[in-house]
Amino acid sequence: AQSVTQLGSHVSVSEGALVLLRCNYSSSVPPYLFWYVQYPNQGLQLLLKYTSAATLVKGINGFEAEFKKSETSFHLTKPSAHMSDAAEYFCAVSGGSQGNLIFGKGTKLSVKP
Amino acid sequence: ETGVTQTPRHLVMGMTNKKSLKCEQHLGHNAMYWYKQSAKKPLELMFVYNFKEQTENNSVPSRFSPECPNSSHLFLHLHTLQPEDSALYLCASSQGILGPFNYGYTFGSGTRLTVV
Repeated sequence: AQSVTQLGSHVSVSEGALVLLRCNYSSSVPPYLFWYVQYPNQGLQLLLKYTSAATLVKGINGFEAEFKKSETSFHLTKPSAHMSDAAEYFCAVSGGSQGNLIFGKGTKLSVKP
Repeated sequence: ETGVTQTPRHLVMGMTNKKSLKCEQHLGHNAMYWYKQSAKKPLELMFVYNFKEQTENNSVPSRFSPECPNSSHLFLHLHTLQPEDSALYLCASSQGILGPFNYGYTFGSGTRLTVV
């Protein structure tokens, strides 16, 4: 069965520092992988997706993620954090029984001035 | 505005009340979903509708009753809820049942439900 593990429920970085949010997946078939962002009192917004094309995927707001099959990982990075990046980030993998996405528990990112 | 609109944004209801959550999308999507988001838990898939037909009821208690009159509208009818049902209820849509594989979901902003 497909699953997603996000390491660290809370990550804190300083403004201008590198952002690294970790996601590992388990899938019996080639996965489609996604990162979503959720700002307070909002729904989830798609940041980027991997659908078996390039392994380095660029998304909105300067985020990118690299698919590493050997490590079953899809970590999210951003070179320089902004205060506006403070939000909760969810990794998801395709393969639910109804074609639905399976989500991780989320990682809350805090950005210190 | 994401293209998926949920109303109301906030709802407080007693355990004996009956209320409904509404979701509307005009993106031309054919699949719609209800998810429950509770603190410190992964998003829980509740119901899936594909072309107005329910294809998934993920062991959801009968006090939650979905309705999908057409591909653009989805309702979640609530009755005799429990305090543990307090959560953020998210509606999402996709381009058909395989849409999530290629395009992901488009989510609404959610309804924050508090059961007292």
